[in-house]
Amino acid sequence: DTGVSQNPRHKITKRGQNVTFRCDPISEHNRLYWYRQTLGQGPEFLTYFQNEAQLEKSRLLSDRFSAERPKGSFSTLEIQRTEQGDSAMYLCASSHDKAFFGQGTRLTVV
Amino acid sequence: KQEVTQIPAALSVPEGENLVLNCSFTDSAIYNLQWFRQDPGKGLTSLLLIQSSQREQTSGRLNASLDKSSGRSTLYIAASQPGDSATYLCAVNGELGTYKYIFGTGTRLKVLA
Repeated sequence: DTGVSQNPRHKITKRGQNVTFRCDPISEHNRLYWYRQTLGQGPEFLTYFQNEAQLEKSRLLSDRFSAERPKGSFSTLEIQRTEQGDSAMYLCASSHDKAFFGQGTRLTVV
Repeated sequence: KQEVTQIPAALSVPEGENLVLNCSFTDSAIYNLQWFRQDPGKGLTSLLLIQSSQREQTSGRLNASLDKSSGRSTLYIAASQPGDSATYLCAVNGELGTYKYIFGTGTRLKVLA
């Protein structure tokens, strides 16, 4: 069990650019989640996968956001045409029962 | 719609005190409840998971209780230490195939040496 791994840890991008984040879950976990967290707030749910199927998406996830989990293993979260309001910590978690979170990717849009 | 509330929002205590953090949720139809710790700028560390059929879980100086019917959970920290300083978050996981976790806004704890 190597834990949930997220890359990159930090990303600074110019407004309008596209960014992609990667999450490698704990290998035997079939559920994978993406959350977004801003300063002083709890994590907000973005989307959830059971194996390779994306079962739920939050209304927070606009058309500029897309997530994939090919083959039910790692997952990617892409944000197109980034806006300053996208600046946040993006957290990935995986679970079989108990949820384990990665260290997050901090996105700064300038 | 499930809503999770944590009180107090912030807490400052002297080292050695026992303390209680509170979490309430509006929809009692949950699958489980999990308590997490978050250090500044870091990800979440899982502390305790309580299944909906359980009343409490213990790990070291931590004890979490769950009263599902009243929509409440408490996290008890015994003999607090400066190293316990962090934000503590509770999250509920829904039933009926909705496995997403809904989080409270957390309690920021500072333990003074």
